[in-house]
Amino acid sequence: EAEVAQSPRYKITEKSQAVAFWCDPISGHATLYWYRQILGQGPELLVQFQDESVVDDSQLPKDRFSAERLKGVDSTLKIQPAELGDSAMYLCASSPIRVSLTRGTYEQYFGPGTRLTVT
Amino acid sequence: QKEVEQDPGPLSVPEGAIVSLNCTYSNSAFQYFMWYRQYSRKGPELLMYTYSSGNKEDGRFTAQVDKSSKYISLFIRDSQPSDSATYLCAMIKNTGNQFYFGTGTSLTVIP
Repeated sequence: EAEVAQSPRYKITEKSQAVAFWCDPISGHATLYWYRQILGQGPELLVQFQDESVVDDSQLPKDRFSAERLKGVDSTLKIQPAELGDSAMYLCASSPIRVSLTRGTYEQYFGPGTRLTVT
Repeated sequence: QKEVEQDPGPLSVPEGAIVSLNCTYSNSAFQYFMWYRQYSRKGPELLMYTYSSGNKEDGRFTAQVDKSSKYISLFIRDSQPSDSATYLCAMIKNTGNQFYFGTGTSLTVIP
């Protein structure tokens, strides 16, 4: 069964350091999402890609976060510099459904996440 | 006020019990309603989705949507210890692409 792959699974970093997360979506999935999930809360969307283009990054803290999906396949999310409040689970999801700002999809498949601890 | 409200629990039931999990929402524009199961230290897994109002059944799971009350439910029959997880409700509006998640309800099924 195809799955979304994420690495690393766990990351501990000191504040002010740079950190990067990698996601490989299910093969053929054009849409890719990055979410942040704080313990005890639901996931919150950070950025959404359609192929290599950003569809929605309105919730991405652009002063410290960046995301790219250069070839429309795998994706990297970066935080620089990391802050204590960034400690959370970072989830990647993909969908075979093409979306836009005005049309989403219920069909999202989540990866196992990267648990980030900032000390 | 959050657009989606979900009681975080925790909820603890004996094996075999019927479990009822609920979410309320405030925006009548929501059209798709989903339930995800999330095991500890794992990503959410889509259990069921419902479009607009009505019921949907899949094995031991039943999802209900009451749009007039802005209330959705997930029922688990004959609950099993393997059902122990956090259950998240999520919704999408009829226009727009953003998921609105509840905070999740932690469920433990005791053998």
